[in-house]
Amino acid sequence: DAGITQSPRHKVTETGTPVTLRCHQTENHRYMYWYRQDPGHGLRLIHYSYGVKDTDKGEVSDGYSVSRSKTEDFLLTLESATSSQTSVYFCAISGASGVADTQYFGPGTRLTVL
Amino acid sequence: SQQGEEDPQALSIQEGENATMNCSYKTSINNLQWYRQNSGRGLVHLILIRSNEREKHSGRLRVTLDTSKKSSSLLITASRAADTASYFCATGEGANNLFFGTGTRLTVIP
Repeated sequence: DAGITQSPRHKVTETGTPVTLRCHQTENHRYMYWYRQDPGHGLRLIHYSYGVKDTDKGEVSDGYSVSRSKTEDFLLTLESATSSQTSVYFCAISGASGVADTQYFGPGTRLTVL
Repeated sequence: SQQGEEDPQALSIQEGENATMNCSYKTSINNLQWYRQNSGRGLVHLILIRSNEREKHSGRLRVTLDTSKKSSSLLITASRAADTASYFCATGEGANNLFFGTGTRLTVIP
């Protein structure tokens, strides 16, 4: 998985609680991404980062925030989890030129919100 | 939506046969990529074709791109049971982002 880890790998939480997912890379890649994968929707981009403290919104950013204080770590926070945020979350990294290039994916985090 | 759309949604073939999957998209692109996802795993990059390329090969994979029709195809030759997975196309449409389709589920029967 190209030196990308995600934690936790599985989490069950209750509606209204905050949740933070962590993505850690050892590749020193500049770009990092958070996606969610749901049946019938493929992968949808939540937020991405193009450098330390530089982040931007993706297609489905409502209800999510991110932070990147170090090159190697990209955190995704669900401020107040809802059942619609039950999903599999993937982190990805990309090292290259700034033109949408090959992405390398982590193993995923399965989140269930009850 | 800016997503690509794969066709068919599901494909079942016998081992040794060829598998062809198609992807259509809507906007101008920088490149188009294909990824594979085994059940319960993350996506793995297979091949990238740039907008000024028409065909690309990698091992048993052959990808074509027709920008006039906004479509691409992925051919897997001499399929194996280990090729059983979901296959996604992703279009690179801006500085940093990819837009993924909903995937084709390929089953290769031994």
